[in-house]
Amino acid sequence: SQKIEQNSEALNIQEGKTATLTCNYTNYSPAYLQWYRQDPGRGPVFLLLIRENEKEKRKERLKVTFDTTLKQSLFHITASQPADSATYLCALDSDNFNKFYFGSGTKLNVKP
Amino acid sequence: DTGVSQDPRHKITKRGQNVTFRCDPISEHNRLYWYRQTLGQGPEFLTYFQNEAQLEKSRLLSDRFSAERPKGSFSTLEIQRTEQGDSAMYLCASSGGTEGREKLFFGSGTQLSVL
Repeated sequence: SQKIEQNSEALNIQEGKTATLTCNYTNYSPAYLQWYRQDPGRGPVFLLLIRENEKEKRKERLKVTFDTTLKQSLFHITASQPADSATYLCALDSDNFNKFYFGSGTKLNVKP
Repeated sequence: DTGVSQDPRHKITKRGQNVTFRCDPISEHNRLYWYRQTLGQGPEFLTYFQNEAQLEKSRLLSDRFSAERPKGSFSTLEIQRTEQGDSAMYLCASSGGTEGREKLFFGSGTQLSVL
């Protein structure tokens, strides 16, 4: 069955540094990989989507890479701010987008 | 606010009671999903509707769970004979329209506590 792994340990970084989060998956070949942000007590919010034929995607301070050979995506936040503190989830599509599979998320703490 | 709305935000019930949650998706979205999330875990897929048709249902969804989406608009999720293990955040998401099917818009969820 599909397995999505994200670092369960919180990532603590200093404001202004680059945060890098990892998403690894097995037993699956997704067409898309997505990253969501989730704040406590709220639903996830979509951030970025990257397709299997794309190596890298950028949006403002965010950058996502997708290596289908390694079955891994890296999510970078440059010039991090305390407001970036949240849990970040990666998600893979199923065929026909009838469902999406989510990782357990990595909590990011950006300290001022 | 034209986002996905869920009601209620919080529900406390006693074991054995039935509960029903409502989700109002973004009006132009034809796809609607229900997920369940427990502390420290990612959202876990429960079921999927395309318009009014329920096209996908998780094997994790026991026969105590039922979902409907009459007329392809709002959706309800009912849990019968609740158990303590049902305590979780129940999230609704929708997609479609001009944003495309890939991008999920989530509501704020219904936090269920079964005592």
